[in-house]
Amino acid sequence: EAQVTQNPRYLITVTGKKLTVTCSQNMNHEYMSWYRQDPGLGLRQIYYSMNVEVTDKGDVPEGYKVSRKEKRNFPLILESPSPNQTSLYFCASSLRPTGSLFDSPLHFGNGTRLTVT
Amino acid sequence: EDQVTQSPEALRLQEGESSSLNCSYTVSGLRGLFWYRQDPGKGPEFLFTLYSAGEEKEKERLKATLTKKESFLHITAPKPEDSATYLCAVLGAGAQKLVFGQGTRLTINP
Repeated sequence: EAQVTQNPRYLITVTGKKLTVTCSQNMNHEYMSWYRQDPGLGLRQIYYSMNVEVTDKGDVPEGYKVSRKEKRNFPLILESPSPNQTSLYFCASSLRPTGSLFDSPLHFGNGTRLTVT
Repeated sequence: EDQVTQSPEALRLQEGESSSLNCSYTVSGLRGLFWYRQDPGKGPEFLFTLYSAGEEKEKERLKATLTKKESFLHITAPKPEDSATYLCAVLGAGAQKLVFGQGTRLTINP
């Protein structure tokens, strides 16, 4: 089944304890992206990747890191989480990079609910 | 800066009661407008892409339309399973990302 898989689904951690949220897609998609979703603010892009070894900042990159060493994986790293990073996080991928002439739709994972105390 | 505003924030309908959701946008050169459906505890699921004013797309009880300033998602004779949050997003000229609205939470009562 074609899908974007995120792990874990739920995570509770403490301030300053490094964590990684994994994201993997099995559709051979070039483009991958991380979003956070907060009440009243909607979906905001954190980082995106146009292809392997190519990553760039989105709207709210502060406090986050990403890497794209393989086409299928795009982990999100919080080196020193803070309470303002408590949120619902989504990984998404698409066949072609957003912005190409005939855009392919984004496929989203089921989310990771992160709580930082 | 590209912006998307969706209205209403929440809408409650009776089963079979048709209505429309609105997505107003400002963008420098629209490349595409996207509609997604999001169920509680799940990621957004793609519904439609509209590229130019006057375009319409349909899927079951849903029809999306596009003008130069807004898009409508028309829901005809909805059923309880249509209850979800509906998200609108735009892609502007030269942009590398979608800009999402805050969504409309739709509830269909049986």
